[in-house]
Amino acid sequence: QIQLMMSAAEVKNPGASVQVSCTASGYRFATYGISWVRQAPGQGLEWMGWISAYNGETRNAQKFQGRVNMTTDTSTSTAHMELRSLRSDDTAVYYCARVYYDSTGLFVMDVWGQGTTVTVSS
Amino acid sequence: DIVLTQSPDSLAVSLGERVTINCKSNQSILFNPHNKNFLGWYQQKPGQPPKLLMYWSSTRESGVPERFSGSGSGTDFTLTIAGLQAEDVAIYYCHQYYRSPYTFGPGTKLDFK
Repeated sequence: QIQLMMSAAEVKNPGASVQVSCTASGYRFATYGISWVRQAPGQGLEWMGWISAYNGETRNAQKFQGRVNMTTDTSTSTAHMELRSLRSDDTAVYYCARVYYDSTGLFVMDVWGQGTTVTVSS
Repeated sequence: DIVLTQSPDSLAVSLGERVTINCKSNQSILFNPHNKNFLGWYQQKPGQPPKLLMYWSSTRESGVPERFSGSGSGTDFTLTIAGLQAEDVAIYYCHQYYRSPYTFGPGTKLDFK
């Protein structure tokens, strides 16, 4: 079945970097994109950005510009999201989601990973 | 950035009651050449990732029960549940994909009365 398996929880010190991975199965990885969405404790959803697994095109929220790097590895059907210079307010559950997109502008996140908890604390 | 607001913040209704959740955008998300609204709805239950319910403001995702419907255009949108079921207790988020960053609304928490 179609699923996204995410990496294990992480605890990081302020100023460090974290990499979260998302491995896809059950579909042709390169024909979709991957979005990254985070959710701070008790808060709503925050869209961080997305990457096309087809050509590597990325769009990131300005808020994360310079701190986030999204990549894909089609040989392992895995997407990676690295967030640098971590702060305490980066503590959140980070989700990856499969993105179906097309030339009409449709952009839907139709399959989600289970989430990876990242805790930033000294 | 496009800002989405939702109302109410939370609501409590009885089983079988009709539910209406509103989402308002600070600018139009209607793409006129296609006459499509770049808005989706997601449902998130406690401890679970979000689930796609609706896209193009009113197109139901495959497998979503028919009691869920979406409407609206331009800047004002509505998600309606025609008869609350027990499994519908969740937080509902609207989401725009008209312009990056593809922002979410703050969510509406739906609970039993």
